[in-house]
Amino acid sequence: GAGVSQTPSNKVTEKGKYVELRCDPISGHTALYWYRQSLGQGPEFLIYFQGTGAADDSGLPNDRFFAVRPEGSVSTLKIQRTERGDSAVYLCASSSALERVMGYFGPGTRLTVL
Amino acid sequence: GDSVTQMEGPVTLSEEAFLTINCTYTATGYPSLFWYVQYPGEGLQLLLKATKADDKGSNKGFEATYRKETTSFHLEKGSVQVSDSAVYFCALSDAAGSGNTGKLIFGQGTTLQVKP
Repeated sequence: GAGVSQTPSNKVTEKGKYVELRCDPISGHTALYWYRQSLGQGPEFLIYFQGTGAADDSGLPNDRFFAVRPEGSVSTLKIQRTERGDSAVYLCASSSALERVMGYFGPGTRLTVL
Repeated sequence: GDSVTQMEGPVTLSEEAFLTINCTYTATGYPSLFWYVQYPGEGLQLLLKATKADDKGSNKGFEATYRKETTSFHLEKGSVQVSDSAVYFCALSDAAGSGNTGKLIFGQGTTLQVKP
């Protein structure tokens, strides 16, 4: 497709479980970002990839959160031992080298931890 | 650290009314400024941007001017429509230069409701 896609669109899990959220960026975009949006709040930065490497992971809240982008395209956000406070919409965005700060956002994955 | 503050909502207006949504920022450098819009059931979309002081971003009848002296980037539209009903987010990105990652810092969002 032409835009950023994210799967699944919704994920319900139980406290303590492990989840993976996937992001497919726009083809050719080298920069990829993950954000978390809690209800009634603006998105908060989690991690930024330039190619395959995490150039800035300062927004990851703790070591339960991890993200990879092994081939420089698709990225997976992994959350271990989920907690109820992890419930949020997780957004992915991608950008080309020329328009790095603009960002094209995906529709998000709504994670609910029961 | 850098931050963005928006006026609280919801903002409720009648169709064809004038809109202002206030946004102020705190930043150590010279950030780029953005307005994003989130329509019901849809993802975030870039509405407009400005990359340096006194720049005016505009799109779809919306405008915002980068005011360095007041650290503001207020969103305005002269005549709103029902279809403008959405959540609006003000955001900044870190300053240009070798350390620029392009990550965005968002305000908390302002809900706009336009009634016919």
